Amino acid sequence: DQQVKQNSPSLSVQEGRISILNCDYTNSMFDYFLWYKKYPAEGPTFLISISSIKDKNEDGRFTVFLNKSAKHLSLHIVPSQPGDSAVYFCAASPLNTGKLIFGQGTTLQVKP
Amino acid sequence: ETGVTQSPTHLIKTRGQQVTLRCSSQSGHNTVSWYQQALGQGPQFIFQYYREEENGRGNFPPRFSGLQFPNYSSELNVNALELDDSALYLCASSQVGSVRDTQYFGPGTRLTVL
Repeated sequence: DQQVKQNSPSLSVQEGRISILNCDYTNSMFDYFLWYKKYPAEGPTFLISISSIKDKNEDGRFTVFLNKSAKHLSLHIVPSQPGDSAVYFCAASPLNTGKLIFGQGTTLQVKP
Repeated sequence: ETGVTQSPTHLIKTRGQQVTLRCSSQSGHNTVSWYQQALGQGPQFIFQYYREEENGRGNFPPRFSGLQFPNYSSELNVNALELDDSALYLCASSQVGSVRDTQYFGPGTRLTVL
């Protein structure tokens, strides 16, 4: 039972344009959501997070949107740069637990 | 500030053997979580340690066990290795009481079971 789903295995975007990565979840007990970026041979790097009491959080080129009624979150990267090419994971944390539940990942390729 | 470190980087074992993986948490962090990442999948939560005690466990059998030491470093032990245990094992540290559950990951240990 996949509680966190990233339905697009890959995404290709032109440099300078917007990248939109999507994530859906099923568990209403999730109250904290995170995005991580992973390069080959490295561990996931924390990018940005959002609490369930908010619907938007912004940090530089990265913005995360949360739609609780649709159980959907998205990561917007504007403008996209070739160095953003990596695998992106969304993760969710259930209330009062320390664990993260990850999606399967989306491979982003930003073309120069 | 020192980040999360893991050792060894790579490991090859045979079925039935036992393995110990090690993790040093980021300075200032008191909680360590372990994840297993199979090829093409997202990381799966194994367990978390806080104040040297297990603080939550995922859907993994008892042959996966762990320890946390007073300096907050941690070990993951896997007994009776199976072929399906081949994966990247990730350690993440966090600070209870800080920004909620933001976990910072190490580079991982690649385990191959033959």
